[in-house]
Amino acid sequence: SYELIQPPSVSVSPGQTASVTCSGDILEDTYASWYQQKPGQSPVLVIYQDDQRSSGFPERFSASTSGNTATLTISGTQAMDEADYYCQAWDNSVIFGGGTKLTVL
Amino acid sequence: QVQLQESGPGLVKPSETLSLTCSVSGYSIRNGYFWGWIRQPPGKGLEWIGIIYDSGSPSYKPSLKSRVTISLDSSANLFSLELDSMTAADTAVYYCARGLRDCSGGSCYSKIHFDSWGQGTLVTVSS
Repeated sequence: SYELIQPPSVSVSPGQTASVTCSGDILEDTYASWYQQKPGQSPVLVIYQDDQRSSGFPERFSASTSGNTATLTISGTQAMDEADYYCQAWDNSVIFGGGTKLTVL
Repeated sequence: QVQLQESGPGLVKPSETLSLTCSVSGYSIRNGYFWGWIRQPPGKGLEWIGIIYDSGSPSYKPSLKSRVTISLDSSANLFSLELDSMTAADTAVYYCARGLRDCSGGSCYSKIHFDSWGQGTLVTVSS
């Protein structure tokens, strides 16, 4: 079965650009989605179908997929963006990446 | 606006069956979306359990398939999860969610993503 690999953690300074990657061979054949989860809260959809931004998220959130890697990019990162981020795709099952903790230092 | 709300016991004994319900308001569960369950053990990542849509067969995570049943109650606009033979490893926050079902392009699953989630309910397995 396929899996999606994410770095456990990413750190970024306020105002800088954060990139969170998600790697998996299945991404060459299906779409990636991204979720944001803050402590004690339910996940919230950020990006769907590789690069479509969900309503409620500002333009500084963007994403793309190239080959077997999907990348979530947050430009001008703010303290409020500190959260766990999960990628998700379909491979005869819904699969989630292991999650990346984004820290805004 | 669609809202989902999980309900069920917060504590289950080992070997027992977990039964959870997700009540949906603001949207009919017969209107073409997937309805699914996802769980998250304390301090860990998200784990998909399964999905169902009206008039369709459910799809389950292979490693849980022998223990899981997801069903719909269209008249009450809710869907349910049953998970048999609970162990401590099943301790988690259980979320219900709505998933996009778009069959354009051949596959009804390749575009699936979860756009609405319940608040989650913590289920602890302990004697």
